[in-house]
Amino acid sequence: KQEVTQIPAALSVPEGENLVLNCSFTDSAIYNLQWFRQDPGKGLTSLLLIQSSQREQTSGRLNASLDKSSGRSTLYIAASQPGDSATYLCAGRYSGGGADGLTFGKGTHLIIQP
Amino acid sequence: KAGVTQTPRYLIKTRGQQVTLSCSPISGHRSVSWYQQTPGQGLQFLFEYFSETQRNKGNFPGRFSGRQFSNSRSEMNVSTLELGDSALYLCASSLALLTGPGSEYGYTFGSGTRLTVV
Repeated sequence: KQEVTQIPAALSVPEGENLVLNCSFTDSAIYNLQWFRQDPGKGLTSLLLIQSSQREQTSGRLNASLDKSSGRSTLYIAASQPGDSATYLCAGRYSGGGADGLTFGKGTHLIIQP
Repeated sequence: KAGVTQTPRYLIKTRGQQVTLSCSPISGHRSVSWYQQTPGQGLQFLFEYFSETQRNKGNFPGRFSGRQFSNSRSEMNVSTLELGDSALYLCASSLALLTGPGSEYGYTFGSGTRLTVV
């Protein structure tokens, strides 16, 4: 059974800082990895998707990397803003993940202090 | 283009009742998956439908069922509701089957249905 772990569980930083969120996974047979953000009581908003053949993806102030050999992905947020405050989730999609669906981490709860 | 639409947004039901939730995927998406999200367990996979057939299933009791129509819209049904079924139910659509090829395809989630069982 695949497992996805996110560290840290919570993070609070002042506005303007660059920060890194970590995601580790146990199975290197990963199709892709997707990063989402979730605002309180809301659904998931997709941020970035990295295919297994890719090393990184960028969108605006966000950059996500994927290292299959080490089982790690990172989400880098540049020049953080209070509007970035949310829970960030990573999810792996596996070829053999029929019973697990997308395998989600527990998330990192991020607070950006104005 | 329109996103994934889930209705209703909120539901309050009594223990023992049944409930039906609805999900309309992004146009052209044939895969619809359902997830349950609770504070203690996080996001857990219920099942996936693709071309009107259940293709993958998570570890939930038979009280949880679903179906998909020819227009890819999906419904999820929970019978004999229990207090522990209180959760945010999320629907996600994709162009690709979960266990099929297509690593370039991700998932788009709806806003969810908040179910409270009293």
